[in-house]
Amino acid sequence: AQKVTQAQTEISVVEKEDVTLDCVYETRDTTYYLFWYKQPPSGELVFLIRRNSFDEQNEISGRYSWNLQKSTSSFNFTITASQVVDSAVYFCALSEPGAGSYQLTFGKGTKLSVIP
Amino acid sequence: DAGVIQSPRHEVTEMGQEVTLRCKPISGHNSLFWYRQTMMRGLELLIYFNNNVPIDDSGMPEDRFSAKMPNASFSTLKIQPSEPRDSAVYFCASSSHRDSNTGELFFGEGSRLTVL
Repeated sequence: AQKVTQAQTEISVVEKEDVTLDCVYETRDTTYYLFWYKQPPSGELVFLIRRNSFDEQNEISGRYSWNLQKSTSSFNFTITASQVVDSAVYFCALSEPGAGSYQLTFGKGTKLSVIP
Repeated sequence: DAGVIQSPRHEVTEMGQEVTLRCKPISGHNSLFWYRQTMMRGLELLIYFNNNVPIDDSGMPEDRFSAKMPNASFSTLKIQPSEPRDSAVYFCASSSHRDSNTGELFFGEGSRLTVL
């Protein structure tokens, strides 16, 4: 069975600090997809990124960057120069295409608080 | 384009009452998912439909829960009778055939249910 672990339940940083959110996954498949979703205080789930298991290159989008390391089964998310608007719960998720269920398995989430 | 639309956004009811949550997926999406979010258990998949047909309902907690998708543009999740432990945020999500192969979902804003 697939599993996603986000060991950090809550993180607090001061504005402009960098912060890394950890995600460790378990899967027996060689082909899979990893996701990060953001849930701001308003409650909706916002898609941030999707990576496939064959692409281990770091991806950067503005202040956000993601690092997939298959050797450690980790898919970490770094926010550079954090801002108050980054305060949210962040979920890492895993899917295995072709498994017949197309379902995402979510981690428990990491609550990030950015203090002004 | 309109996103996934859920109603009601908030529902407060008394134990034993019937609750019906509604979802309109994104037009053209052929997969629909119902998730439940609680503090204790995080995001759990309850059921998903493909082309209006329920594919996997193994996450539905018990017989008090039922879901239907009478057509491609509408789905309901019903709880009868409701219990306080059903209090949660219920999310509906949809995906297209293209996205379903990777697990990328588009979420609604959720329906927050409180059962007194």
